[in-house]
Amino acid sequence: DQQVKQNSPSLSVQEGRISILNCDYTNSMFDYFLWYKKYPAEGPTFLISISSIKDKNEDGRFTVFLNKSAKHLSLHIVPSQPGDSAVYFCAAANTGNQFYFGTGTSLTVIP
Amino acid sequence: EPEVTQTPSHQVTQMGQEVILRCVPISNHLYFYWYRQILGQKVEFLVSFYNNEISEKSEIFDDQFSVERPDGSNFTLKIRSTKLEDSAMYFCASTARRTGANYGYTFGSGTRLTVV
Repeated sequence: DQQVKQNSPSLSVQEGRISILNCDYTNSMFDYFLWYKKYPAEGPTFLISISSIKDKNEDGRFTVFLNKSAKHLSLHIVPSQPGDSAVYFCAAANTGNQFYFGTGTSLTVIP
Repeated sequence: EPEVTQTPSHQVTQMGQEVILRCVPISNHLYFYWYRQILGQKVEFLVSFYNNEISEKSEIFDDQFSVERPDGSNFTLKIRSTKLEDSAMYFCASTARRTGANYGYTFGSGTRLTVV
């Protein structure tokens, strides 16, 4: 029951360039989406969120885009920095308590 | 910055034994959660807890699992008779309110449970 999918398990980007991480979902009832970053041996850290009434939310170098018709969201990191190297999870919920997580994308930013 | 604290960081237990994973959520948070991540797989929801009772649980959270808030600060996950497939990272999380704009959980750093 993979309601949230991250089809790219890994991504490598040069420092200073844009990182684009993608996420697809199947449940049209989802109306709240988050991105988490996770370093090894640590818990996930909340990064940025978006609700279904918006199609874009920006916070510094991080921007999340939501395309409801395509059931697709993406996280853009500009410019990418080596400290951004981590596993990124997208998660979705339908205003309930439970979030459904994707399997994660491991981002490596090359200095 | 307030943190969610989990202990121990690593627990090794024999199959069939009971384990208790401990969490101290952020003090003014009202909603508490357990998630787990089996190595190489996605983070999976186990249970949510509010007002001293379970508000939602997943299919994973069967009769072998229980949660408790024994005092005003701790939130525990008990597995009564561990199985090999219970080996995973277990994450506790808390939030001040249900999902809403610009809100996310605060996760602890996790307890790695290894069942042998």
